[in-house]
Amino acid sequence: EDQVTQSPEALRLQEGESSSLNCSYTVSGLRGLFWYRQDPGKGPEFLFTLYSAGEEKEKERLKATLTKKESFLHITAPKPEDSATYLCAVGSGGYQKVTFGIGTKLQVIP
Amino acid sequence: GAVVSQHPSWVICKSGTSVKIECRSLDFQATTMFWYRQFPKQSLMLMATSNEGSKATYEQGVEKDKFLINHASLTLSTLTVTSAHPEDSSFYICSAITQRMNTEAFFGQGTRLTVV
Repeated sequence: EDQVTQSPEALRLQEGESSSLNCSYTVSGLRGLFWYRQDPGKGPEFLFTLYSAGEEKEKERLKATLTKKESFLHITAPKPEDSATYLCAVGSGGYQKVTFGIGTKLQVIP
Repeated sequence: GAVVSQHPSWVICKSGTSVKIECRSLDFQATTMFWYRQFPKQSLMLMATSNEGSKATYEQGVEKDKFLINHASLTLSTLTVTSAHPEDSSFYICSAITQRMNTEAFFGQGTRLTVV
């Protein structure tokens, strides 16, 4: 059974204080690792897909990296508007099967 | 990114009534749509997968007679919660994929269902 574990569950940062969120996974046949952002009361917003170990993707202040066992979402000089819950998910086997982690709730304080 | 619209964004219904939630892909044809349920401080739990024109595939533990899914076209899927009870109160989210867009799924805004 595929498993996704995210840490920490909650993270509080000062504006400009860079940090990383972790996503550890066990999966049989990784098809893709996904990062989403979810604001309260809303559906997840797609951020990145990573397909193989060593791959990196960037978008504004966010950078996602992938190894064979985990993925990191690096946040550089975060701003208050980056406050949200960040979800990690893995697709395996047939890509329709996607397993989500519980998420990391990020709060960036001005 | 692709746009998925979900309606309504919130609904309050009486116990024993049925509620229909719509999920539309606005700018692409969704070959497959997914329905999730999310409880506070928990991850998204897949309820069912629906392919256009065929019966939905339900995850273990999800009652197919209670959660009716219809995927009548490439842009619309509906979830009907039948004979709703307070324990059905939750946040329901749909997502959609198309073979044209790699493997990532795009999500609707979610529907907050409260059964009183």
